Amino acid sequence: DQQVKQNSPSLSVQEGRISILNCDYTNSMFDYFLWYKKYPAEGPTFLISISSIKDKNEDGRFTVFLNKSAKHLSLHIVPSQPGDSAVYFCAARSYGQNFVFGPGTRLSVLP
Amino acid sequence: GAGVSQSPSNKVTEKGKDVELRCDPISGHTALYWYRQRLGQGLEFLIYFQGNSAPDKSGLPSDRFSAERTGESVSTLTIQRTQQEDSAVYLCASSLDRLSYLVGYTFGSGTRLTVV
Repeated sequence: DQQVKQNSPSLSVQEGRISILNCDYTNSMFDYFLWYKKYPAEGPTFLISISSIKDKNEDGRFTVFLNKSAKHLSLHIVPSQPGDSAVYFCAARSYGQNFVFGPGTRLSVLP
Repeated sequence: GAGVSQSPSNKVTEKGKDVELRCDPISGHTALYWYRQRLGQGLEFLIYFQGNSAPDKSGLPSDRFSAERTGESVSTLTIQRTQQEDSAVYLCASSLDRLSYLVGYTFGSGTRLTVV
Protein backbone atom coordinates (compact mmCIF):
# COMPACT_ATOMS: atom_id res chain seq x y z
CA ASP A 1 0.00 0.00 0.00
CA GLN A 2 1.57 3.27 -1.14
CA GLN A 3 1.63 5.78 1.69
CA VAL A 4 2.81 8.59 -0.57
CA LYS A 5 1.19 9.00 -3.97
CA GLN A 6 1.97 11.18 -6.93
CA ASN A 7 -0.84 10.41 -9.31
CA SER A 8 0.54 12.29 -12.30
CA PRO A 9 3.52 10.44 -13.76
CA SER A 10 4.26 13.36 -16.06
CA LEU A 11 3.45 17.02 -16.60
CA SER A 12 4.27 19.45 -19.43
CA VAL A 13 4.25 23.19 -18.92
CA GLN A 14 5.16 26.13 -21.10
CA GLU A 15 8.18 28.18 -20.06
CA GLY A 16 7.16 31.13 -17.89
CA ARG A 17 3.93 29.52 -16.72
CA ILE A 18 3.20 27.91 -13.35
CA SER A 19 4.00 24.25 -12.69
CA ILE A 20 1.93 22.53 -10.02
CA LEU A 21 3.02 19.11 -8.81
CA ASN A 22 0.74 17.24 -6.45
CA CYS A 23 1.30 14.68 -3.73
CA ASP A 24 -1.17 12.81 -1.51
CA TYR A 25 -0.42 10.77 1.58
CA THR A 26 -2.36 8.38 3.75
CA ASN A 27 -0.47 8.35 7.06
CA SER A 28 -1.82 11.03 9.40
CA MET A 29 1.32 10.64 11.56
CA PHE A 30 3.51 12.21 8.87
CA ASP A 31 4.79 15.51 10.20
CA TYR A 32 7.53 16.52 7.81
CA PHE A 33 7.55 16.67 4.04
CA LEU A 34 10.22 17.22 1.43
CA TRP A 35 10.41 17.68 -2.30
CA TYR A 36 13.40 16.33 -4.18
CA LYS A 37 14.42 17.00 -7.75
CA LYS A 38 16.23 14.43 -9.86
CA TYR A 39 18.04 14.90 -13.15
CA PRO A 40 18.93 11.86 -15.30
CA ALA A 41 22.02 9.98 -14.13
CA GLU A 42 22.15 11.99 -10.92
CA GLY A 43 20.91 11.35 -7.40
CA PRO A 44 17.90 13.23 -6.04
CA THR A 45 18.69 16.63 -4.55
CA PHE A 46 16.76 18.37 -1.82
CA LEU A 47 14.54 21.21 -3.05
CA ILE A 48 12.20 22.43 -0.32
CA SER A 49 10.58 21.21 2.89
CA ILE A 50 7.58 21.91 5.05
CA SER A 51 6.67 20.98 8.58
CA SER A 52 3.15 19.99 9.55
CA ILE A 53 2.89 23.09 11.76
CA LYS A 54 2.90 25.24 8.63
CA ASP A 55 0.69 25.35 5.57
CA LYS A 56 3.08 27.15 3.25
CA ASN A 57 6.79 27.50 2.71
CA GLU A 58 8.34 29.62 0.00
CA ASP A 59 11.86 29.68 -1.41
CA GLY A 60 12.36 31.83 -4.46
CA ARG A 61 10.38 30.41 -7.37
CA PHE A 62 9.36 27.36 -5.33
CA THR A 63 6.44 27.23 -2.91
CA VAL A 64 5.13 24.17 -1.12
CA PHE A 65 1.58 24.11 0.22
CA LEU A 66 0.32 21.64 2.81
CA ASN A 67 -3.34 20.81 3.44
CA LYS A 68 -3.31 18.50 6.45
CA SER A 69 -7.04 17.85 6.50
CA ALA A 70 -6.89 16.64 2.89
CA LYS A 71 -3.51 14.94 3.39
CA HIS A 72 -2.32 16.76 0.31
CA LEU A 73 0.68 18.83 -0.57
CA SER A 74 1.68 20.59 -3.73
CA LEU A 75 4.78 22.19 -5.18
CA HIS A 76 4.37 25.35 -7.24
CA ILE A 77 7.12 26.59 -9.52
CA VAL A 78 6.66 30.11 -10.84
CA PRO A 79 7.84 31.00 -13.40
CA SER A 80 8.83 27.62 -14.82
CA GLN A 81 12.15 27.43 -16.63
CA PRO A 82 13.53 24.77 -19.01
CA GLY A 83 16.16 23.90 -16.37
CA ASP A 84 13.34 22.83 -14.06
CA SER A 85 12.70 19.83 -16.31
CA ALA A 86 13.36 16.85 -14.04
CA VAL A 87 11.61 14.18 -11.98
CA TYR A 88 10.17 15.53 -8.74
CA PHE A 89 9.73 13.26 -5.72
CA CYS A 90 7.57 13.99 -2.74
CA ALA A 91 8.74 12.43 0.57
CA ALA A 92 7.13 12.27 3.99
CA ARG A 93 8.05 11.00 7.42
CA SER A 94 6.77 10.67 10.92
CA TYR A 95 9.08 11.57 13.78
CA GLY A 96 11.99 9.16 14.17
CA GLN A 97 11.10 7.19 11.06
CA ASN A 98 12.62 6.99 7.60
CA PHE A 99 11.28 9.08 4.76
CA VAL A 100 8.74 7.43 2.46
CA PHE A 101 8.99 8.53 -1.15
CA GLY A 102 6.36 8.87 -3.83
CA PRO A 103 6.84 7.47 -7.35
CA GLY A 104 7.77 10.83 -8.83
CA THR A 105 6.37 13.18 -11.48
CA ARG A 106 8.37 13.97 -14.59
CA LEU A 107 8.13 17.69 -15.36
CA SER A 108 8.91 18.94 -18.84
CA VAL A 109 9.14 22.71 -19.28
CA LEU A 110 8.80 23.55 -22.94
CA PRO A 111 10.66 26.59 -24.33
CA GLY B 1 34.46 13.72 0.59
CA ALA B 2 32.25 16.51 -0.65
CA GLY B 3 29.36 14.25 -1.55
CA VAL B 4 28.09 10.69 -1.43
CA SER B 5 30.08 8.54 -3.81
CA GLN B 6 28.81 5.29 -5.32
CA SER B 7 30.58 2.72 -7.42
CA PRO B 8 30.30 1.35 -9.96
CA SER B 9 28.04 3.79 -11.75
CA ASN B 10 26.85 1.06 -14.08
CA LYS B 11 26.91 -2.71 -13.72
CA VAL B 12 25.70 -5.35 -16.15
CA THR B 13 25.66 -8.85 -14.77
CA GLU B 14 24.37 -12.24 -15.79
CA LYS B 15 21.41 -13.76 -14.02
CA GLY B 16 22.58 -15.90 -11.11
CA LYS B 17 25.80 -13.99 -10.46
CA ASP B 18 26.52 -12.05 -7.26
CA VAL B 19 27.12 -8.30 -7.30
CA GLU B 20 28.52 -5.88 -4.76
CA LEU B 21 27.71 -2.18 -4.76
CA ARG B 22 29.70 0.36 -2.80
CA CYS B 23 28.78 3.61 -1.07
CA ASP B 24 31.08 6.21 0.46
CA PRO B 25 28.98 8.55 2.61
CA ILE B 26 29.78 12.12 3.50
CA SER B 27 32.41 12.21 6.21
CA GLY B 28 30.79 12.64 9.61
CA HIS B 29 27.37 11.40 8.52
CA THR B 30 26.33 8.69 10.94
CA ALA B 31 23.17 7.66 9.09
CA LEU B 32 23.33 5.77 5.79
CA TYR B 33 20.47 4.53 3.66
CA TRP B 34 20.09 2.31 0.63
CA TYR B 35 17.15 2.79 -1.72
CA ARG B 36 16.40 1.40 -5.12
CA GLN B 37 14.34 2.70 -7.99
CA ARG B 38 13.00 0.25 -10.51
CA LEU B 39 11.86 1.51 -13.88
CA GLY B 40 8.74 3.65 -13.58
CA GLN B 41 8.57 3.29 -9.83
CA GLY B 42 9.40 5.41 -6.80
CA LEU B 43 12.26 5.13 -4.38
CA GLU B 44 12.00 1.91 -2.39
CA PHE B 45 13.67 1.80 1.02
CA LEU B 46 16.04 -1.13 1.50
CA ILE B 47 18.16 -0.71 4.63
CA TYR B 48 19.29 1.93 7.11
CA PHE B 49 22.43 2.15 9.26
CA GLN B 50 22.83 4.49 12.24
CA GLY B 51 26.26 4.51 13.82
CA ASN B 52 26.98 1.24 15.59
CA SER B 53 23.32 0.37 16.16
CA ALA B 54 21.75 -2.71 14.59
CA PRO B 55 20.67 -1.83 11.04
CA ASP B 56 17.03 -1.52 10.01
CA LYS B 57 16.75 -4.22 7.37
CA SER B 58 12.97 -4.06 7.05
CA GLY B 59 13.08 -3.02 3.39
CA LEU B 60 15.30 -5.79 2.04
CA PRO B 61 13.14 -7.68 -0.48
CA SER B 62 14.67 -11.14 0.03
CA ASP B 63 17.47 -12.97 1.81
CA ARG B 64 19.54 -12.62 -1.38
CA PHE B 65 20.09 -9.01 -0.33
CA SER B 66 22.49 -8.03 2.43
CA ALA B 67 24.44 -4.94 3.39
CA GLU B 68 27.30 -4.11 5.65
CA ARG B 69 28.76 -0.97 7.08
CA THR B 70 31.83 -0.69 9.23
CA GLY B 71 31.36 2.06 11.80
CA GLU B 72 30.48 5.30 10.07
CA SER B 73 32.32 4.64 6.85
CA VAL B 74 31.85 2.73 3.62
CA SER B 75 28.84 0.50 3.06
CA THR B 76 28.47 -2.38 0.62
CA LEU B 77 25.19 -3.79 -0.67
CA THR B 78 25.46 -7.37 -1.89
CA ILE B 79 22.93 -9.12 -4.07
CA GLN B 80 23.42 -12.86 -4.42
CA ARG B 81 22.14 -14.95 -7.30
CA THR B 82 20.83 -11.90 -9.14
CA GLN B 83 17.47 -12.05 -10.89
CA GLN B 84 16.15 -9.88 -13.69
CA GLU B 85 13.73 -8.16 -11.30
CA ASP B 86 16.77 -6.87 -9.38
CA SER B 87 17.51 -4.53 -12.31
CA ALA B 88 17.20 -1.02 -10.91
CA VAL B 89 19.12 2.06 -9.90
CA TYR B 90 20.48 1.54 -6.40
CA LEU B 91 20.81 4.82 -4.51
CA CYS B 92 22.77 5.44 -1.36
CA ALA B 93 22.14 8.44 0.88
CA SER B 94 23.60 9.74 4.10
CA SER B 95 22.63 12.26 6.75
CA LEU B 96 24.08 13.53 10.01
CA ASP B 97 21.65 11.32 11.87
CA ARG B 98 18.11 10.03 11.48
CA LEU B 99 16.68 13.14 13.10
CA SER B 100 18.51 15.56 10.78
CA TYR B 101 15.47 15.86 8.60
CA LEU B 102 15.61 19.59 7.96
CA VAL B 103 17.20 19.06 4.56
CA GLY B 104 16.63 15.36 4.22
CA TYR B 105 19.31 13.10 2.91
CA THR B 106 22.20 13.66 0.52
CA PHE B 107 22.02 11.11 -2.26
CA GLY B 108 24.74 9.65 -4.43
CA SER B 109 24.34 9.35 -8.19
CA GLY B 110 23.40 5.71 -7.91
CA THR B 111 24.49 2.42 -9.45
CA ARG B 112 22.46 1.30 -12.44
CA LEU B 113 22.27 -2.48 -12.23
CA THR B 114 21.15 -4.46 -15.25
CA VAL B 115 20.68 -8.21 -14.93
CA VAL B 116 20.65 -9.99 -18.30
